[in-house]
Amino acid sequence: NAGVTQTPKFRILKIGQSMTLQCTQDMNHNYMYWYRQDPGMGLKLIYYSVGAGITDKGEVPNGYNVSRSTTEDFPLRLELAAPSQTSVYFCASSPQGAGREQYFGPGTRLTVT
Amino acid sequence: EDQVTQSPEALRLQEGESSSLNCSYTVSGLRGLFWYRQDPGKGPEFLFTLYSAGEEKEKERLKATLTKKESFLHITAPKPEDSATYLCAVRRGIQGAQKLVFGQGTRLTINP
Repeated sequence: NAGVTQTPKFRILKIGQSMTLQCTQDMNHNYMYWYRQDPGMGLKLIYYSVGAGITDKGEVPNGYNVSRSTTEDFPLRLELAAPSQTSVYFCASSPQGAGREQYFGPGTRLTVT
Repeated sequence: EDQVTQSPEALRLQEGESSSLNCSYTVSGLRGLFWYRQDPGKGPEFLFTLYSAGEEKEKERLKATLTKKESFLHITAPKPEDSATYLCAVRRGIQGAQKLVFGQGTRLTINP
């Protein structure tokens, strides 16, 4: 089991460019999440999904889009990158059921200049 | 508004020096308080879930406790490998996916 994998590990974007952060899990989890973590701050939920074809906004969704066509994959799309999107992005997954812990990927460090 | 505040922001201890980290929360309908450990450059790693006041959980040198307003992570006789950032998160009383609200973390350093 690889768990939750994310690509790329690092990326530098210019203002206005677009990119997709990839996230894949091999644990057959229904729930998947995208967070961003800024220095000295806690994780903020961007989007989440409860299953293939179902997504919903979290705390900070502006400037991002997601899709969930399969159970395994949950890509995060950044359109028109802005310096405020410079952050570390974490994908996570969890089994269905109350109180089940989330498993996190290693993160993608994104810089927008 | 749901809020999670962790203190202190950073803590330096000598090896073997026990201490506690604090997580204060305000949330409507708590459905679980989670502790995670995060090493530099890595994703958070799950430690504990607590559900109700008075509950305690232990793992090696760590013990987590919960009251109606806060949780403590007690570290007994820590070792340098316990150095990490410890994150606290609460789950709101919403059915379905776990929408967690995280604190900003406590950066713990254990000096040999």
